[in-house]
Amino acid sequence: SQTIHQWPATLVQPVGSPLSLECTVEGTSNPNLYWYRQAAGRGLQLLFYSVGIGQISSEVPQNLSASRPQDRQFILSSKKLLLSDSGFYLCAWKGQNSPLHFGNGTRLTVT
Amino acid sequence: SQQGEEDPQALSIQEGENATMNCSYKTSINNLQWYRQNSGRGLVHLILIRSNEREKHSGRLRVTLDTSKKSSSLLITASRAADTASYFCAPNSNDYKLSFGAGTTVTVRA
Repeated sequence: SQTIHQWPATLVQPVGSPLSLECTVEGTSNPNLYWYRQAAGRGLQLLFYSVGIGQISSEVPQNLSASRPQDRQFILSSKKLLLSDSGFYLCAWKGQNSPLHFGNGTRLTVT
Repeated sequence: SQQGEEDPQALSIQEGENATMNCSYKTSINNLQWYRQNSGRGLVHLILIRSNEREKHSGRLRVTLDTSKKSSSLLITASRAADTASYFCAPNSNDYKLSFGAGTTVTVRA
């Protein structure tokens, strides 16, 4: 069966520090991969998605970037965090003709 | 991709009662999906209804779709404490990008 791993679960980082969040998927190949951000009490904002290795589409220009170095690995990064980067970050994968499958998220607090 | 708009924003019901929430969207879709999010967790897919379907059931869940009104509803029957969560709809036009609104927060009181 397919599983998705996302870590860390919580993270507190100072303004100006770098960020790296990792997501890996097991049990499937060539999935579409997604990064979403959710502000407190709000909906999900699609940040990046990828349909293949090295292929990244950005939905919202901002302080973040994403990379897909391997088929089932998706990384969200920032060189310098802003206070506004705080939120709940969710990774998800999708196969053909299947719904989205989400990880358990990373709660990021930028102080 | 378009996002759905869920209504109401919040709903509080007694255990055993039914909960109904609605979703409206703007442009034509291939399908519409409903997801649940427990506090502090990722979303979990509940049910998908295709544009040529009018009603679909899964356990205690009943989803309807009215493409002429561009709306869908999710009914949870005989609610339980474990149904306490936020519920999101995702109207899907292109099968690879899904957007989500603010959701409906359901609280089931014991």
